[in-house]
Amino acid sequence: AQSVTQLDSQVPVFEEAPVELRCNYSSSVSVYLFWYVQYPNQGLQLLLKYLSGSTLVESINGFEAEFNKSQTSFHLRKPSVHISDTAEYFCAVGGSYIPTFGRGTSLIVHP
Amino acid sequence: KAGVTQTPRYLIKTRGQQVTLSCSPISGHRSVSWYQQTPGQGLQFLFEYFSETQRNKGNFPGRFSGRQFSNSRSEMNVSTLELGDSALYLCASSLATSLFTDTQYFGPGTRLTVL
Repeated sequence: AQSVTQLDSQVPVFEEAPVELRCNYSSSVSVYLFWYVQYPNQGLQLLLKYLSGSTLVESINGFEAEFNKSQTSFHLRKPSVHISDTAEYFCAVGGSYIPTFGRGTSLIVHP
Repeated sequence: KAGVTQTPRYLIKTRGQQVTLSCSPISGHRSVSWYQQTPGQGLQFLFEYFSETQRNKGNFPGRFSGRQFSNSRSEMNVSTLELGDSALYLCASSLATSLFTDTQYFGPGTRLTVL
């Protein structure tokens, strides 16, 4: 079995400030890890994913996440956020079981 | 390439009725999955269809069913609606190498309200 915990339901931050959205997972087998983003009234879109290889993965819009096996974490970071980053972010774990999603973290960027 | 489309976008039903939701995957994608999204439970996996066969199933009662057609389009049916079925129903398609590892491409969802 596997599970995902997103520790913060809401993260408010000012524009141009750095942000970290936390994700911890539990799984008894090797995992694949995903971050999805959901903008209002839209479906989820893949932001980035870790399958194997380098533990640091990056997205095209400045987000990055690091797979930490010892801490079973896959935190999402961005050094400088924009208003347009305001959205719901979901961490998900796959690999050997049906994808399991976290409850989501609402990132609210204030001007 | 067109994205995943879902119809209708909004639906209002009353308890006891049944409802059918439709999903058209991205061209070339053979796997279609369905999820229920609610504020209380988050995103929960319903089932996945591949080549007109249910390949994976989540932990939902038999009132929730689905099917897939030869063109990969999928429908989801919920019978005997309950108030707790009110949710955003998301459809996702993928290339179908494996549901467990593929990137999933989501549609905008169907917002179902049960009165």
